[in-house]
Amino acid sequence: GAVVSQHPSRVICKSGTSVKIECRSLDFQATTMFWYRQFPKQSLMLMATSNEGSKATYEQGVEKDKFLINHASLTLSTLTVTSAHPEDSSFYICSGQGTGLMHEQYFGPGTRLTVT
Amino acid sequence: GQNIDQPTEMTATEGAIVQINCTYQTSGFNGLFWYQQHAGEAPTFLSYNVLDGLEEKGRFSSFLSRSKGYSYLLLKELQMKDSASYLCAVSPTPESGNTPLVFGKGTRLSVIA
Repeated sequence: GAVVSQHPSRVICKSGTSVKIECRSLDFQATTMFWYRQFPKQSLMLMATSNEGSKATYEQGVEKDKFLINHASLTLSTLTVTSAHPEDSSFYICSGQGTGLMHEQYFGPGTRLTVT
Repeated sequence: GQNIDQPTEMTATEGAIVQINCTYQTSGFNGLFWYQQHAGEAPTFLSYNVLDGLEEKGRFSSFLSRSKGYSYLLLKELQMKDSASYLCAVSPTPESGNTPLVFGKGTRLSVIA
């Protein structure tokens, strides 16, 4: 299957600072990338959908000014958590979706964010 | 609306067979996926069904009935490493462009000796 990488895998930051997470599709062009958040023992929660070259679409309840998404190329999307707070501590996962009929999503390995 | 139901937790014995059920009601249907997710890791793809019937892939099989809005994942010869969450996800008919999969909350499977 296709490969999606995420960087960093783990990050610890202080409250009030910003953190950028990168998501790259390594061997396919991801016209659409999705960003999820997952709290311990809970299900994946879709935060936003980003299409290359256009503004991201955010799910209800997700602050677009706090979670900045940029999808500047077909292989790279970034999520910036601005002014992070301890309640933003979570597991952030991106996925890339190709243009095939199956619409399969390929997940990155995730980023564990801890805000102190 | 979109709704996917699957049991929250299941326990099974090493070497046994377990069936994880999933029912769905979505605005459209363009295929059903099963993913495996180990604690602290991202989901990995297991199977895809778009037509009715059984798809077998080694120890794992997945079944779909579109008329009943029902799928199951069958795991045979269970191993301890199969302890994980299993996510059922549906691809709804895209209105335009790509649309995200709709995920169930996942079934946490514990395999015991």
